[in-house]
Amino acid sequence: AAGVIQSPRHLIKEKRETATLKCYPIPRHDTVYWYQQGPGQDPQFLISFYEKMQSDKGSIPDRFSAQQFSDYHSELNMSSLELGDSALYFCASSLDPTGEAFFGQGTRLTVV
Amino acid sequence: DAKTTQPNSMESNEEEPVHLPCNHSTISGTDYIHWYRQLPSQGPEYVIHGLTSNVNNRMASLAIAEDRKSSTLILHRATLRDAAVYYCIFFSSNTGKLIFGQGTTLQVKP
Repeated sequence: AAGVIQSPRHLIKEKRETATLKCYPIPRHDTVYWYQQGPGQDPQFLISFYEKMQSDKGSIPDRFSAQQFSDYHSELNMSSLELGDSALYFCASSLDPTGEAFFGQGTRLTVV
Repeated sequence: DAKTTQPNSMESNEEEPVHLPCNHSTISGTDYIHWYRQLPSQGPEYVIHGLTSNVNNRMASLAIAEDRKSSTLILHRATLRDAAVYYCIFFSSNTGKLIFGQGTTLQVKP
């Protein structure tokens, strides 16, 4: 079965650069979540979308923005990158209104 | 956001049952209790979820206290592949988001 696809899997950027992470949810899933997981930390909720509209926002810096497109894929845009942005970024998708979510393999962002 | 409390770590022997506890005294009536697990460098994996009644699936069982202030994830026969960080999470049907807590690192000894 198709899973959540994230690209790229690995990304190295310099400080103050921008990065765009992409997420392709499971077909027909209408909800997308983004999470950030720093080294040795738990996943932190960033933002979510339901039917292409932002549904909730967590601890997402103002330098980050995200959107969900008409084909339901989502992009997380990160500007003015800082060393502390180095982390694993996970995307998850869901169709179940009670919340069962399927996570992608993540994008490992390294800021140097 | 409501909080869950889990032990930092637990150990189990292979092929023995494992009971992973979670306290969630601030849970609201519409919050679902979810369990996910995460292996190193992988995305979290859904295990099970429930609202009020106990739940069983092919991976595990979820026992929910009558007052819903605690729950227990039961792995009936632990294998080495079950070694992971297990997260007990609320899903709020109002906000539609999953908030991860600190999780329990489960070690399984052969």
